[in-house]
Amino acid sequence: LAKTTQPISMDSYEGQEVNITCSHNNIATNDYITWYQQFPSQGPRFIIQGYKTKVTNEVASLFIPADRKSSTLSLPRVSLSDTAVYYCLVGDPDGSSNTGKLIFGQGTTLQVKP
Amino acid sequence: NAGVTQTPKFRVLKTGQSMTLLCAQDMNHEYMYWYRQDPGMGLRLIHYSVGEGTTAKGEVPDGYNVSRLKKQNFLLGLESAAPSQTSVYFCASLLTGVMEGRTEAFFGQGTRLTVV
Repeated sequence: LAKTTQPISMDSYEGQEVNITCSHNNIATNDYITWYQQFPSQGPRFIIQGYKTKVTNEVASLFIPADRKSSTLSLPRVSLSDTAVYYCLVGDPDGSSNTGKLIFGQGTTLQVKP
Repeated sequence: NAGVTQTPKFRVLKTGQSMTLLCAQDMNHEYMYWYRQDPGMGLRLIHYSVGEGTTAKGEVPDGYNVSRLKKQNFLLGLESAAPSQTSVYFCASLLTGVMEGRTEAFFGQGTRLTVV
């Protein structure tokens, strides 16, 4: 499994764009990059997933450079309700190379201020 | 469609007591997981299952046992509870094998367990 490294915490203000970078130097060829969001007292929920280049959905964008050794989750114009913990995961969706393990790590705590 | 349901939501145990946490999913997912989350910490994988009748150890399996007798249920057991097992426990199931390699984990609402 590829190990991921992300900042422990980040602060931002309402209306700003927030970029959270995750490092995964030993990412494998078949690995996808997935981000989850967790609010207090709730289980994590899926935000976005990608393999290379850029993926965008209604919640966020995910930027993945050509070498795939890092990825950046971009949240446009954050609001107070975006205050949460964000987790970066790297793995093979089909489980053929990772035996099905899903490791979350410590995540990045984003605090959005008024 | 209920998704992932955990039972119970809250429980207080005395040291040495045993209990079983139940996770049920109605999405026909093959993979299921149990995590624990301590205050201010990330999720740590306890045990997981890649299919009915199979289980495997995660990062912190000691003191816990699991069973997956039916595809839709994943049980987590504490044989002799200890204060160190006070935590919030989350169950998840994983959607795999869909188009373009998309996978997505669905989580239950959590079980808050206190061992005194």
